[in-house]
Amino acid sequence: KAGVTQTPRYLIKTRGQQVTLSCSPISGHRSVSWYQQTPGQGLQFLFEYFSETQRNKGNFPGRFSGRQFSNSRSEMNVSTLELGDSALYLCASSLGPLNEQFFGPGTRLTVL
Amino acid sequence: QKEVEQNSGPLSVPEGAIASLNCTYSDRGSQSFFWYRQYSGKSPELIMSIYSNGDKEDGRFTAQLNKASQYVSLLIRDSQPSDSATYLCAVNRHSGAGSYQLTFGKGTKLSVIP
Repeated sequence: KAGVTQTPRYLIKTRGQQVTLSCSPISGHRSVSWYQQTPGQGLQFLFEYFSETQRNKGNFPGRFSGRQFSNSRSEMNVSTLELGDSALYLCASSLGPLNEQFFGPGTRLTVL
Repeated sequence: QKEVEQNSGPLSVPEGAIASLNCTYSDRGSQSFFWYRQYSGKSPELIMSIYSNGDKEDGRFTAQLNKASQYVSLLIRDSQPSDSATYLCAVNRHSGAGSYQLTFGKGTKLSVIP
């Protein structure tokens, strides 16, 4: 069974631009969660989608948004990029809210 | 109080020894508990999950959960240099309206010395 895939793997953007990251979950998984990982803050929860509905959102500004499609694939968008948005963005999929989450390889975003 | 706390380490153990990693959590309503291993530059990899009090063993790994003490641990027996990584404790807690949120500790860096 194929794992979680994320595209692109690396991105370099400049301040003020926007970016869209994509995540394809493991086949059969309907829950997709997004996390931001930085050396100082660790892994921080962004949001979770299940059956195209955002069920949970972390403490991030409104510049961070996401969506999930009917095939469970998910995208997250960051608008008006700031230097502090440089991080590893991780997507994880699971069967349901209490089940094990499996991570994709991540997208490394660098904001210049 | 932080929601999920781990000793940041580094924790150094000799090859062949037992490595003991600990984690405490603040939300008594937490339902499920996980240990992830993360190598430098890679994404977290799930190594253990535990849902009820007691021990759960999988190969060289044993997870221990004590809900009364709000404590979860991971033991790695016969530690190998390839076990050198950061270990993340994650706790799935209720976040309202039937939803749950996986909250991570900041991780313990383990170094196994040959």
